[in-house]
Amino acid sequence: NAGVTQTPKFRVLKTGQSMTLLCAQDMNHEYMYWYRQDPGMGLRLIHYSVGEGTTAKGEVPDGYNVSRLKKQNFLLGLESAAPSQTSVYFCASTPVGGGSYEQYFGPGTRLTVT
Amino acid sequence: SQELEQSPQSLIVQEGKNLTINCTSSKTLYGLYWYKQKYGEGLIFLMMLQKGGEEKSHEKITAKLDEKKQQSSLHITASQPSHAGIYLCGAFPKLTFGGGTRVLVKP
Repeated sequence: NAGVTQTPKFRVLKTGQSMTLLCAQDMNHEYMYWYRQDPGMGLRLIHYSVGEGTTAKGEVPDGYNVSRLKKQNFLLGLESAAPSQTSVYFCASTPVGGGSYEQYFGPGTRLTVT
Repeated sequence: SQELEQSPQSLIVQEGKNLTINCTSSKTLYGLYWYKQKYGEGLIFLMMLQKGGEEKSHEKITAKLDEKKQQSSLHITASQPSHAGIYLCGAFPKLTFGGGTRVLVKP
């Protein structure tokens, strides 16, 4: 049981390049989330998904797209990376929503955009 | 939007001493998470509080949610080097997080 895994762990992009971050969970959780963490700002929700085939915007969705084609996977895409997207990205999942469940977090992806 | 303010932003404590971290919300909380993050790693769930006045403990860590459900405190008794890291409070169901408190324990 691996929990929540993220791929890749590190990545350096040049401005304007695109990439996709993969989040996978093996706990059969319904809800999945993508956050970014910047120094002194805690975690900010980018997008989330309440089930396969559904996604919704969080607090800071601009510049990102997501897809949840399979229940166990949640993809975060950057179409044209900008230096402001330099951050650590965390994926999380919960069995259902409503907040009464612990969020299980992945180990994070450190992205640098030059 | 609901904002969470954590204080202090960072602290250094001598091993064996107690420490307290506060998390204050601009609005009444439905519920609150506390997480710990080791440097460069993911988040580890500590506790979840939902009821006003609720207090939970795990090993040497105690968290409490005040009666008005707008402030929570995390208290560590007799700190150890293993307590070093970043502590984050998070509100649910809005899924907003405080800025984190960086804890360093000096041996």
